[in-house]
Amino acid sequence: AQRVTQPEKLLSVFKGAPVELKCNYSYSGSPELFWYVQYSRQRLQLLLRHISRESIKGFTADLNKGETSFHLKKPFAQEEDSAMYYCALRMERSNDYKLSFGAGTTVTVRA
Amino acid sequence: EPEVTQTPSHQVTQMGQEVILRCVPISNHLYFYWYRQILGQKVEFLVSFYNNEISEKSEIFDDQFSVERPDGSNFTLKIRSTKLEDSAMYFCASSSGENIQYFGAGTRLSVL
Repeated sequence: AQRVTQPEKLLSVFKGAPVELKCNYSYSGSPELFWYVQYSRQRLQLLLRHISRESIKGFTADLNKGETSFHLKKPFAQEEDSAMYYCALRMERSNDYKLSFGAGTTVTVRA
Repeated sequence: EPEVTQTPSHQVTQMGQEVILRCVPISNHLYFYWYRQILGQKVEFLVSFYNNEISEKSEIFDDQFSVERPDGSNFTLKIRSTKLEDSAMYFCASSSGENIQYFGAGTRLSVL
C-alpha cells in the first residue's frame, strides 16, 4: 500500500531563511506527487504538483524516484508562508484518483 | 473562481444520531470525494464517486456511511448512527478526472 511520510510535525524558520519540508513516499509504481497548503482558517489548496515542474510562490519541489522523496523548498521564507503543508500521493492507476496524505508540517516563519 | 462549498461548517450531534453532510462540488466536475481528518491526525480518504456510483472506498467507509448525489448538484455524506470516534473534520473535494482536486472548507462534526 502507498504511504506518505512527513517527518517534521513543526518547522520554525526566520523570515528570509531557506525552508525545506521533507516528504518521502513508499509506492511500488509511478506516483503523482502534490503539495497542498492550508493557511489559517482557509481551505486546503494545491500548491504544487510534480508533473507541472513549476515554481509557485517561490516554492519548488523535485520528485526524486531514487530516494522516493518530494521535498518542498523555498530559498527565502516569508511571513505569509506560515501555514500547514501536506504532501500527497496519487497512484498511477487510471481509475483511482484518491489522494494519500502525509501527516502535515506546520511552518511558522518568524520576523 | 469557482469553489467547493460545504454545509454546515459545524455540526454537533448526539451519539447514535444520523447526520448528513452536504457539499456542492464545482459545477463541471465529474469526480467527487470525501476525506476526513480526526484532530491531530492526517487527512484520510473515505470514498470517491463517479458516474453516480462509488468508484473506491477505504476501510473506514463501512456500512454506517453512504454517499449520494440526489439532484445533480449536491453530494452528500450520510453517517447513519454516529459514534464518538466519528468526530472529525470532513472535507469534500471534486475534480475533472485526473486533474487537481479542489477542496471545500470542511464540516467539523462533533459527536457528543
